[in-house]
Amino acid sequence: DVKVTQSSRYLVKRTGEKVFLECVQDMDHENMFWYRQDPGLGLRLIYFSYDVKMKEKGDIPEGYSVSREKKERFSLILESASTNQTSMYLCASRGRVSTEAFFGQGTRLTVV
Amino acid sequence: QKEVEQNSGPLSVPEGAIASLNCTYSDRGSQSFFWYRQYSGKSPELIMSIYSNGDKEDGRFTAQLNKASQYVSLLIRDSQPSDSATYLCAVNINGGYQKVTFGTGTKLQVIP
Repeated sequence: DVKVTQSSRYLVKRTGEKVFLECVQDMDHENMFWYRQDPGLGLRLIYFSYDVKMKEKGDIPEGYSVSREKKERFSLILESASTNQTSMYLCASRGRVSTEAFFGQGTRLTVV
Repeated sequence: QKEVEQNSGPLSVPEGAIASLNCTYSDRGSQSFFWYRQYSGKSPELIMSIYSNGDKEDGRFTAQLNKASQYVSLLIRDSQPSDSATYLCAVNINGGYQKVTFGTGTKLQVIP
């Protein structure tokens, strides 16, 4: 059974904190993605990675960075959390030839 | 103009009726098109993918693609209350590294 696992289901952080969101997939997929989902705005792509140590900015990369040191793991970093980063964060992975993206269960982050 | 547009709904249909969900996209070079279903509080899951003009049927679901008019639709026959969810249209925008752009989703309510 395919699996994308996000490290936390719920997270509460303070303004200014550095926040790490971790995502691990067990499908040997080349492509991994971080999205945030907000009411009325849908899923917006923050960053994606098509190979180890490779990354590309998505549509809303400001305030975020990513790390992909191993193929199975893709981390999203909020360098200095702000209240406008309160959101649902979804990780997804996709193979090079596969068309289906598999999503993790999501992390609901609240910045206070 | 948004890259992928959907009517946010809610779209209400009686049980047993046909639900019709529509999506338009801006990039004429787009190659791959997907419909995801997302239950409240859950992650999106793929229900249909379509790559060439015409219809593609899978059980009660039919995806329709018209590249000339740049729209893709999803028909759900014999709608059930369990079909009540938000349906996300996603498009593999041409030129990206497997980049998939999502619409904001249409909320479907099937009334018993």
